[in-house]
Amino acid sequence: DVKVTQSSRYLVKRTGEKVFLECVQDMDHENMFWYRQDPGLGLRLIYFSYDVKMKEKGDIPEGYSVSREKKERFSLILESASTNQTSMYLCASSPSGDSYEQYFGPGTRLTVT
Amino acid sequence: AQSVTQPDIHITVSEGASLELRCNYSYGATPYLFWYVQSPGQGLQLLLKYFSGDTLVQGIKGFEAEFKRSQSSFNLRKPSVHWSDAAEYFCAVGAVETGNQFYFGTGTSLTVIP
Repeated sequence: DVKVTQSSRYLVKRTGEKVFLECVQDMDHENMFWYRQDPGLGLRLIYFSYDVKMKEKGDIPEGYSVSREKKERFSLILESASTNQTSMYLCASSPSGDSYEQYFGPGTRLTVT
Repeated sequence: AQSVTQPDIHITVSEGASLELRCNYSYGATPYLFWYVQSPGQGLQLLLKYFSGDTLVQGIKGFEAEFKRSQSSFNLRKPSVHWSDAAEYFCAVGAVETGNQFYFGTGTSLTVIP
């Protein structure tokens, strides 16, 4: 089975802190994604990556950056956390080609105080 | 622009009753369509997907969905709901043209009463 793991299930940070959310997948997938999930808004794409060192902005990239130095790992970085970044963050991966579904990690619930 | 609409924010059904969750999408090309389920505190699990071919697709846990191009819909159904089906359900649309990017609906929360 495909496994996508996220470094923390719950995280509490202070305003202005630099925050790293890590995601690792074990199925050699080319594509990786970071979403945030908020009530009533569904999932919104922050960034995605289709190859090592490649990244593309999603719908809401402001205030975030990403890093993909290895194929299996995709990091989301909040350079200076703010309270409006309190949310559930979901990582996903997918293979390239016709097999198209995304596989999700369990999520990280981030609270910024 | 691509969009996905799930008109029902919350649905309550009795255990054993049938279920239909609605999903409408807006997309010019042939879409890829998905239904995901999210149990409380968990990530998303794929229920079923449509790429092409038979417009009625079967998924896990007894769910099925029907793609209706004329109505731009991909509704999820289950003939008899179990208490364990209580969860949040998300419809998503993607396409090769969007570079593997998915667009998700806002979700439908399902409550099952005994």
